[in-house]
Amino acid sequence: RKEVEQDPGPFNVPEGATVAFNCTYSNSASQSFFWYRQDCRKEPKLLMSVYSSGNEDGRFTAQLNRASQYISLLIRDSKLSDSATYLCVVNSRGNNRLAFGKGNQVVVIP
Amino acid sequence: EAQVTQNPRYLITVTGKKLTVTCSQNMNHEYMSWYRQDPGLGLRQIYYSMNVEVTDKGDVPEGYKVSRKEKRNFPLILESPSPNQTSLYFCASSLAGTGGGVSPSYTFGSGTRLTVV
Repeated sequence: RKEVEQDPGPFNVPEGATVAFNCTYSNSASQSFFWYRQDCRKEPKLLMSVYSSGNEDGRFTAQLNRASQYISLLIRDSKLSDSATYLCVVNSRGNNRLAFGKGNQVVVIP
Repeated sequence: EAQVTQNPRYLITVTGKKLTVTCSQNMNHEYMSWYRQDPGLGLRQIYYSMNVEVTDKGDVPEGYKVSRKEKRNFPLILESPSPNQTSLYFCASSLAGTGGGVSPSYTFGSGTRLTVV
């Protein structure tokens, strides 16, 4: 089983709609969880950390489900500028070593 | 400005010609790492360094070397590049982990697109 698994999509989303996707991780001892955003051919950038109680940053909401070993990202009121690949990131082998999922590609359609 | 700087941004080279991709960070981060990104395979770790003079293999180290003589620099060396090393490379850095399995987030460089012909 891969360390971090994501459905690559693409997720075609009408502008203004809500989109949500999950990623699953294999190491039950993982302690750190993040969502990164990557635009085409550019470097990944931290979107948000994911906390046990769930957290929100504007139109973005992240949740962690430790029992089922998945994290989720929800984007409300999608904007054209939200079109990107969203990478699920988990530390799978102890401090500092982060494992990256292959990403969920989101395409927001006018 | 806090950043990770990679050079060059683009490089086309021939098989067997040694090359070095430089990476430098100005955030006093202990941890640095190299990744390659290929279509359908995602980001895969090549090498990482927990601190000066401490380096270790990641998931795909074959064909690569690194060194960490200074805290700010972490060059990636391809002694004899081959076409299967054509890829998009990212350097990343972070603060050291706080212990207990908690990892800080990474800051990435802008990437180096390498083509080996």
